[in-house]
Amino acid sequence: GIQVEQSPPDLILQEGANSTLRCNFSDSVNNLQWFHQNPWGQLINLFYIPSGTKQNGRLSATTVATERYSLLYISSSQTTDSGVYFCAVARNSGNTPLVFGKGTRLSVIA
Amino acid sequence: DAGITQSPRHKVTETGTPVTLRCHQTENHRYMYWYRQDPGHGLRLIHYSYGVKDTDKGEVSDGYSVSRSKTEDFLLTLESATSSQTSVYFCAISAGEGSYGYTFGSGTRLTVV
Repeated sequence: GIQVEQSPPDLILQEGANSTLRCNFSDSVNNLQWFHQNPWGQLINLFYIPSGTKQNGRLSATTVATERYSLLYISSSQTTDSGVYFCAVARNSGNTPLVFGKGTRLSVIA
Repeated sequence: DAGITQSPRHKVTETGTPVTLRCHQTENHRYMYWYRQDPGHGLRLIHYSYGVKDTDKGEVSDGYSVSRSKTEDFLLTLESATSSQTSVYFCAISAGEGSYGYTFGSGTRLTVV
């Protein structure tokens, strides 16, 4: 099946710093989503981004489908950005379930 | 998220007992999914449903069964719980057909002793 690799596995930032999280996948995909799991365990959908670039406040994401990677940018990080960021992909945009990477654990220190 | 609820939120059960987890949605979404989350593994798919009475297996389906008798409910059953099934279980929903973003429930923490 499709493989999803996220890097780095862990990241510690000072508040206000910027960061880039990477997601590599082993096959062509038509569905790619980024999620944030907060320290209380809740999973929040950040982006549905099978290709192109999207921005939402301090967060933005870019997927280069032809090169099989996606990047999540966090600018001016805040302590509330802490948690685990997951990338998930599927070959088809229909009912094919998402396959998740193992995540990047981000800790933002005040 | 208010449109999807999981119950119970926490459960401790003994090895060998049957356990049923419930996922309830009010969004009328077609697709529903059960994932488990374990340290070092991210989220792994157990079973999913693409409509009432339409279900399929995921990556880690052994020891689990599911049922979906109506759109709003997706049940996950551990027929005979084992310690390896101690995990956090998440349900997710998706409308599909042009709106593929997943919405997750708050999770059920299951401990099998």
